[in-house]
Amino acid sequence: GQNIDQPTEMTATEGAIVQINCTYQTSGFNGLFWYQQHAGEAPTFLSYNVLDGLEEKGRFSSFLSRSKGYSYLLLKELQMKDSASYLCAPHGYKLSFGAGTTVTVRA
Amino acid sequence: DTGVSQDPRHKITKRGQNVTFRCDPISEHNRLYWYRQTLGQGPEFLTYFQNEAQLEKSRLLSDRFSAERPKGSFSTLEIQRTEQGDSAMYLCASSPTTSGTSNEQFFGPGTRLTVL
Repeated sequence: GQNIDQPTEMTATEGAIVQINCTYQTSGFNGLFWYQQHAGEAPTFLSYNVLDGLEEKGRFSSFLSRSKGYSYLLLKELQMKDSASYLCAPHGYKLSFGAGTTVTVRA
Repeated sequence: DTGVSQDPRHKITKRGQNVTFRCDPISEHNRLYWYRQTLGQGPEFLTYFQNEAQLEKSRLLSDRFSAERPKGSFSTLEIQRTEQGDSAMYLCASSPTTSGTSNEQFFGPGTRLTVL
């Protein structure tokens, strides 16, 4: 089965850095996705990690440690539009989503 | 066609009625997925298709739920004898069978179901 744990909420100020941690247990492992979901909208793809290490993509970076069942999403230079829910989704034999971390960015 | 589309976007129905939702995936995407999402939770997997074949159904999918993808393109999700607990956002996603190193799923806008 799938067991995914990420914090429920985080708050930060504009321009700051936020790190969202995710631990998981999956049946098989093919990679890990991070999705962003604004309230009332569909999830949109942010990143995909297959191998251990850090993947950087602009202001967003994602890290994976397969042996530890651990990933994090790093959001830098926070902007108001980054206020959203961030979903950790390990890809075992199917894709499973965590409950999401709601990030609130304050001015 | 720039993305996954779903119809309707909103549906309000009375308990006991049947409802059907439609999903049109991105052209040439072989895989199509249905998820259900309730407030404060991530999407929960319901079922997925590879072309017209339904390869997996979640245990969450009771016998009141049925999904089809008859020609391997659009899909329908039907809920019979709706219950108030069925109220949720129903998301559809599609992906190509292979996408480089990614199996990224592209989500539609969802159908929000409210059962009164």
